Amino acid sequence: SQQGEEDPQALSIQEGENATMNCSYKTSINNLQWYRQNSGRGLVHLILIRSNEREKHSGRLRVTLDTSKKSSSLLITASRAADTASYFCATDNRGNTGKLIFGQGTTLQVKP
Amino acid sequence: SAVISQKPSRDICQRGTSLTIQCQVDSQVTMMFWYRQQPGQSLTLIATANQGSEATYESGFVIDKFPISRPNLTFSTLTVSNMSPEDSSIYLCSVGRTGVTEAFFGQGTRLTVV
Repeated sequence: SQQGEEDPQALSIQEGENATMNCSYKTSINNLQWYRQNSGRGLVHLILIRSNEREKHSGRLRVTLDTSKKSSSLLITASRAADTASYFCATDNRGNTGKLIFGQGTTLQVKP
Repeated sequence: SAVISQKPSRDICQRGTSLTIQCQVDSQVTMMFWYRQQPGQSLTLIATANQGSEATYESGFVIDKFPISRPNLTFSTLTVSNMSPEDSSIYLCSVGRTGVTEAFFGQGTRLTVV
């Protein structure tokens, strides 16, 4: 079953602009992760934010987490054509089983 | 980190046949999972592959349709049995380690059933 919704489902921007993607989830979590998928291939881990954190940065990525609203956002600053991909949020369950529940994903197109 | 080799990378199969997908990891891992990604959709967990015992399946997935083996801590297979066009998806192997929250994914197997 899917954990929640991501919006927008698709996003098209110009190179150099910022891209913001949102994710909502339904259950209590230990952490929330963001993954990237290029052209239907394997997923690559981007960043993890723990349930007791509110904001985290990694390079051009900024992630926020609002546990009261059960939502997170991923901001990619100064986007590049190479950022074109699908982005998924994923949450664990608090049983530490390692299983991930993925959001619906946002398809990002960055036009050169 | 973990390097995962998943084979085949893609295949086109006839309905009614079966395909076995292999997942090989370059080091021992605690957890191995199989996910399905239907066209244009997100990932859905099929099952947890348990070393030396039967896999644990998620709701909606059954062993007869998706038999899984995990003979050791570095290898697992997923079989898609008696395939129909609805089984056309990307199948992904994922691994994790105790105490490490990041998951690692194989490159996926793109399956088309005709």
